[in-house]
Amino acid sequence: AQTVTQSQPEMSVQEAETVTLSCTYDTSESDYYLFWYKQPPSRQMILVIRQEAYKQQNATENRFSVNFQKAAKSFSLKISDSQLGDAAMYFCAWINDYKLSFGAGTTVTVRA
Amino acid sequence: SQTIHQWPATLVQPVGSPLSLECTVEGTSNPNLYWYRQAAGRGLQLLFYSVGIGQISSEVPQNLSASRPQDRQFILSSKKLLLSDSGFYLCAWSVAGVETQYFGPGTRLLVL
Repeated sequence: AQTVTQSQPEMSVQEAETVTLSCTYDTSESDYYLFWYKQPPSRQMILVIRQEAYKQQNATENRFSVNFQKAAKSFSLKISDSQLGDAAMYFCAWINDYKLSFGAGTTVTVRA
Repeated sequence: SQTIHQWPATLVQPVGSPLSLECTVEGTSNPNLYWYRQAAGRGLQLLFYSVGIGQISSEVPQNLSASRPQDRQFILSSKKLLLSDSGFYLCAWSVAGVETQYFGPGTRLLVL
């Protein structure tokens, strides 16, 4: 079975600093997509960043970037210059045949 | 631009009562539609997905059913709610053939 593992239940970061969230996944597929979603207290799932497995270049979206290591099946998210609005739960997800499989999530708190 | 709506936002229902949650998408045609459930503090579980009107695929056998009466409308139903149906229900959409899914604001369901 394909699984997504987030080993950090909680992470804390000082405002303006950088935090990295870990994610590993297990799949036998060669072509797939990976995502990071953010879930603030409102609980709406917001897409943060997307990575296509056939692309070697790591995706970036403003202050958010990923470190995609296909051989290691690792997909970490780096949040740079953390802001108070970044406080949320972050979910790593992998998609296969319409179905998004989510990790358990990492709660990020930002200290002012 | 595309928007996705869900209602109601919050619902409290007694055990054994029926359920109907509605999801509509604007600004796109023939989207793929999805229903997910999130238990408190956990990741999302795919319940149903649809690639067209009247086409519903079920991922998890349960007390719920889904219907797609119109191209951009997706409905989640139950004839008799169970306590275990409590949770946060999220609808999502994607462009057919494109992997990225975008989520609605969700419905909080509490079954008492």
